Amino acid sequence: GNSVTQMEGPVTLSEEAFLTINCTYTATGYPSLFWYVQYPGEGLQLLLKATKADDKGSNKGFEATYRKETTSFHLEKGSVQVSDSAVYFCALTVSGAGSYQLTFGKGTKLSVIP
Amino acid sequence: DAGVIQSPRHEVTEMGQEVTLRCKPISGHDYLFWYRQTMMRGLELLIYFNNNVPIDDSGMPEDRFSAKMPNASFSTLKIQPSEPRDSAVYFCASQGGYFGNTIYFGEGSWLTVV
Repeated sequence: GNSVTQMEGPVTLSEEAFLTINCTYTATGYPSLFWYVQYPGEGLQLLLKATKADDKGSNKGFEATYRKETTSFHLEKGSVQVSDSAVYFCALTVSGAGSYQLTFGKGTKLSVIP
Repeated sequence: DAGVIQSPRHEVTEMGQEVTLRCKPISGHDYLFWYRQTMMRGLELLIYFNNNVPIDDSGMPEDRFSAKMPNASFSTLKIQPSEPRDSAVYFCASQGGYFGNTIYFGEGSWLTVV
């Protein structure tokens, strides 16, 4: 089956620190990969995505590169801000028999302190 | 675009009562998903619809849970009778059609069963 494993949190960083949240996956087919972000009390928002190997998704200073050889999609940001405090979810979807469901990792809570 | 709209945002109910959660997907989207989020189990897919037809309900935990989509602009998730272990955030999400397209989430219905 499909699965997503992401690093355990919580992660606490000082403002302007470098962020990496690791994500690896297993998939029965050729997945598309996503990072979603959930701010406190809100729903999930798409942060970035990549649909084929070596693609780099980017948004709001966050980046992640689809690495097929290592089955990874690590999230990075060069300088985090307090407003980046949220829970980050790595996810994948694989086509097949009309199924478009997402498989999520368990989420990594990020806290950024001034 | 108004996004995915869910109601109620918050509900507190007594054990044994019927709970109905509502969702209006983004206009033109032909996939609709119901997810449940808890601290213990993370995000779980309960059921999803394509063109108003339920495709996969294998995530529905028990017969107490049921979901309907009578038309393209409305879906309900019903719990009858409710139990304290059903306390969770329930998210509705919709998607516009081709593989890899973004899934958009509502802000969730926060259910507490006492």
